[in-house]
Amino acid sequence: AQTVTQSQPEMSVQEAETVTLSCTYDTSESDYYLFWYKQPPSRQMILVIRQEAYKQQNATENRFSVNFQKAAKSFSLKISDSQLGDAAMYFCAFGYQGGKLIFGQGTELSVKP
Amino acid sequence: EAGVAQSPRYKIIEKRQSVAFWCNPISGHATLYWYQQILGQGPKLLIQFQNNGVVDDSQLPKDRFSAERLKGVDSTLKIQPAKLEDSAVYLCASSYEDRVYYEQYFGPGTRLTVT
Repeated sequence: AQTVTQSQPEMSVQEAETVTLSCTYDTSESDYYLFWYKQPPSRQMILVIRQEAYKQQNATENRFSVNFQKAAKSFSLKISDSQLGDAAMYFCAFGYQGGKLIFGQGTELSVKP
Repeated sequence: EAGVAQSPRYKIIEKRQSVAFWCNPISGHATLYWYQQILGQGPKLLIQFQNNGVVDDSQLPKDRFSAERLKGVDSTLKIQPAKLEDSAVYLCASSYEDRVYYEQYFGPGTRLTVT
């Protein structure tokens, strides 16, 4: 069975600073994707960034980047130049056959002005 | 392009009552998912449809939950009878096909409170 663990229930960052959210997973699958989703207080889940497991290069999307360590089964999200609008719940998710997603427990990020 | 629509946004019922949620996915999306998100937790998949067929309902409590996707478009999720532990946000998501390559788009959710 696949599991996803986010060990940081809450994180805080100063505006314009950088923050890293941690995620570890466990699987026996060889073909999978990893995702970070953002869920603002309005509750609509939005995809932030994704990483294909077969790709060694870490994914980047503007201010968001990941550190994917396949052997360690680690998938962290780095947010650079944090903005007030980045405040939200962030979920790490493991995606595999048939489009299924397994979500972690979430990390609540607050951004201080 | 219109997003995933859900209704109602909020619902309060008493235990043992029944409730139904509705979802309209993005046009052209063959795959539809229902998730349950209990406060403080990540979403958990309840059921997955491909067109109007069930792909995975292994985590759906079938003694009280049921779901259907008639004509492969809209879907309804029903709980009968509701229990206190069913209080959660119910999220609907859709994707173009049932492959992880395709992004899942989420609706705003229905927040259910069972008293």
